[in-house]
Formats: sequence, C-alpha cells, structure tokens
Amino acid sequence: QQQVKQSPQSLIVQKGGISIINCAYENTAFDYFPWYQQFPGKGPALLIAIRPDVSEKKEGRFTISFNKSAKQFSLHIMDSQPGDSATYFCAAKAAGNKLTFGGGTRVLVKP
Amino acid sequence: KAGVTQTPRYLIKTRGQQVTLSCSPISGHRSVSWYQQTPGQGLQFLFEYFSETQRNKGNFPGRFSGRQFSNSRSEMNVSTLELGDSALYLCASSLDSTNEKLFFGSGTQLSVL
Repeated sequence: QQQVKQSPQSLIVQKGGISIINCAYENTAFDYFPWYQQFPGKGPALLIAIRPDVSEKKEGRFTISFNKSAKQFSLHIMDSQPGDSATYFCAAKAAGNKLTFGGGTRVLVKP
Repeated sequence: KAGVTQTPRYLIKTRGQQVTLSCSPISGHRSVSWYQQTPGQGLQFLFEYFSETQRNKGNFPGRFSGRQFSNSRSEMNVSTLELGDSALYLCASSLDSTNEKLFFGSGTQLSVL
C-alpha cells in the first residue's frame, strides 16, 4: 500500500522548544523521504530529505531521524521559532517523481 | 531565477464546466508534476510529465488530463467539473524525471459551485 501516516495532526510548542513530527510507511520500495514546509497561500517548499541508507541527517535546526527496520522517520525542529509556524508534510518516493504525502502537521510556535 | 509560475491564482467554475490550469516551470527544468491538495484528502499526485510525455499517473478519473509543451510548460485540464474537484492544484518542477528535488508553485485555487 502506498500510504504514509503522519502524526500528530497539530502541535503547539513554546519558542525555543523542540517540535517532533513522526511518519510511518509500508512500501519498502520507497527510497527517498523528503519533508516539506508550507505556509498559508504558498506551495510546499522542500526542507530536508533523507535516503534509507542514512539514519540521521541534520541541516541547521532541522534533523531527520530514519529507522529503516521500523519503517519510520521523524522530523525534529530544534530551538523552534515563531517563523517556523507552518504545516509540515512528510513524503516518500518510489519510482519517478511521484511523491506520496503524509496528512500534514500544523505547527504553532508560541512566543 | 524565477520560481514555478501557476496561472490563474484563483478560479471559480460551476458544475459541468471544464477548466484549464497553466504551469511554467523553473527555467531549465524539464519535469513537471501536478498535485491536488484538499483539506480532506491532503496532497495527492495527479501526473508527471517529462519531455512532453506522461511518465506517471495517479488514481484520478479520466476527467483529469494534462500535457506538456516543447518549452516544458504544462497545462492540466479537468472536464465536467464536480463539486469535489474544488481544491488547490499545485504544480512542481524538477530538473528531470530522476531529480528528486521538487519545487512547487503557489497553486491555483479552484472553486466549483
């Protein structure tokens, strides 16, 4: 099945805190796992991505952790800022450029 | 470098009509994908075009179609519109069909009345 399940649907974090979003997948043919950030009125923007042969990838305040055996991956936003308030989507890709997206997580960072 | 441009930004149609949406990819990008975004179903893949050929297709009825021109610009068409077709339609471009970095436009918000 081509599903990607994302949780939580929404979260509230204080400025400076850590936001954690989790995703799980079933299809072992997925070989690329990006995270996208979307602001209201805008299209999704690529934030960070990982391949299944790597367990962790960090770019600035954003870190992806990947657990291939559990078929799970997560996004950690360290030192969350009000400007990080957005909807975050995990996704997975098999052949071609067809992305299967998770349902999205609305993150609100309180000052 | 200009981003992905989608026109029009907003569109209102009535049931039974048809609609054509346009997408201009980033200069040099040859692959264009289309996605539908709704509050209920989230982001769903419609189709991908590369070198004027459809490479992948999602699980949408035949009323949804698309094409790509020699300059990589793409259009998607929805015929016999239904209320459930109301959505944000997003276009994404990438260098080619093997390059995974997708750059999305701001979308066309379609409302079907």
